[in-house]
Amino acid sequence: EIVLTQSPGTLSLSPGERATLSCRASQNVWSNYLAWHQQKPGQAPRLLIYGASSRATGIPDRFSASGSGTDFTLTISRLEPEDFAVYYCQQYGSSPYTFGLGTKLEVK
Amino acid sequence: QLQLQESGPGLVKPSETLSLTCTVSGGSIVSSAYYWGWIRQPPEKGLEWIGIINYHGDTYYNPSLQSRVTLSVDPSRNQVSLQLKSVTAGDTAVYYCARFKTVPSSSFCDYWGLGSLVTVSS
Repeated sequence: EIVLTQSPGTLSLSPGERATLSCRASQNVWSNYLAWHQQKPGQAPRLLIYGASSRATGIPDRFSASGSGTDFTLTISRLEPEDFAVYYCQQYGSSPYTFGLGTKLEVK
Repeated sequence: QLQLQESGPGLVKPSETLSLTCTVSGGSIVSSAYYWGWIRQPPEKGLEWIGIINYHGDTYYNPSLQSRVTLSVDPSRNQVSLQLKSVTAGDTAVYYCARFKTVPSSSFCDYWGLGSLVTVSS
């Protein structure tokens, strides 16, 4: 199965700053089938990005993503207070679909 | 507004069967555009994809759980169900119901339920 490694484990930034989160796969993600999800305490996780770079419905354009093959990146251009959460990458190109362990984005 | 509501016992004894139901509202599970499935998250650990099913009953399971998992659908009730047999403490987790949007040769999770904590303990 494909193992996804997310870095950093924790990212401490201030509102208004730019966040860059990384997701590296142990092997090529077929068809760049890579998604990013956001999880806040007490809330259902939410899909942000699918197909490596396509924003889901209703996701603000400060969220962007890129990458292909084994290296993928999620960027939040200017952090808003509501963006502090845990972010997971997930590949759905090969069964079993797998998730990374997450990056916790916290207020500095 | 789509809502996915998980329900079922919060406590299951070791060696017994864990059963959860997901009731979908604000949308129909009878659609070729979607699969419906389950993802779990043990305490302080990562997310694990369990499996998916469509309204025809076509299923795809995580090989690591395949021998113990059964998914089923009830289109008349707009429900999807999960059964996991012979549970151990390692199956203690928050279980999320999720919708999966189909794409060529795959599907991705585009909507999640709030999750239901199931503890395996005697």
